[in-house]
Amino acid sequence: QQQVKQSPQSLIVQKGGISIINCAYENTAFDYFPWYQQFPGKGPALLIAIRPDVSEKKEGRFTISFNKSAKQFSLHIMDSQPGDSATYFCAASPMNTGFQKLVFGTGTRLLVSP
Amino acid sequence: DAGVIQSPRHEVTEMGQEVTLRCKPISGHNSLFWYRQTMMRGLELLIYFNNNVPIDDSGMPEDRFSAKMPNASFSTLKIQPSEPRDSAVYFCASSPTGNEQYFGPGTRLTVT
Repeated sequence: QQQVKQSPQSLIVQKGGISIINCAYENTAFDYFPWYQQFPGKGPALLIAIRPDVSEKKEGRFTISFNKSAKQFSLHIMDSQPGDSATYFCAASPMNTGFQKLVFGTGTRLLVSP
Repeated sequence: DAGVIQSPRHEVTEMGQEVTLRCKPISGHNSLFWYRQTMMRGLELLIYFNNNVPIDDSGMPEDRFSAKMPNASFSTLKIQPSEPRDSAVYFCASSPTGNEQYFGPGTRLTVT
């Protein structure tokens, strides 16, 4: 019940295309859903996050779509660029721990071809 | 701000040796997290400190692992004795609120 399932495992997108990564969760107590971006040899970096009171959040080319009834959320990268090539992790956190004990998805390796 | 600082960046040691990983969180952040990342298990939370006090260590794999935070600007993760299955990248993260977590560059540990 604590798992966050992420798909696809890897993704190849042409420059200028839309990258879409999906995550699903079971625990209805989750109330914070961040996405992290990780480049090789670096630590994960917070990209964008959403709470379940909204269905969509957009920051630049990055958008989170959230479907509370389906317990799914996704990351859309518009106009994908080679510099976006990285591993992306979704995560979720329950509300009853007093801090954001993040449960991470397994990651999606994105390659944006020039 | 320099961000979260971890040392060493790479550590190679022999099985049975003691390993100490170090972390300096971002100044002013009152929450600190230690994570382990492997291909098989992904990112796992090992332990969480709030105001230098360990709050949740349920992710610490076994007694060979211990973590301390003697003050607000320094934390250590110690493995004694180390085993080959401990090989992983260990991340430290800090947060001003517990919500947004800022990760360090990690320490790549190889135990032979």
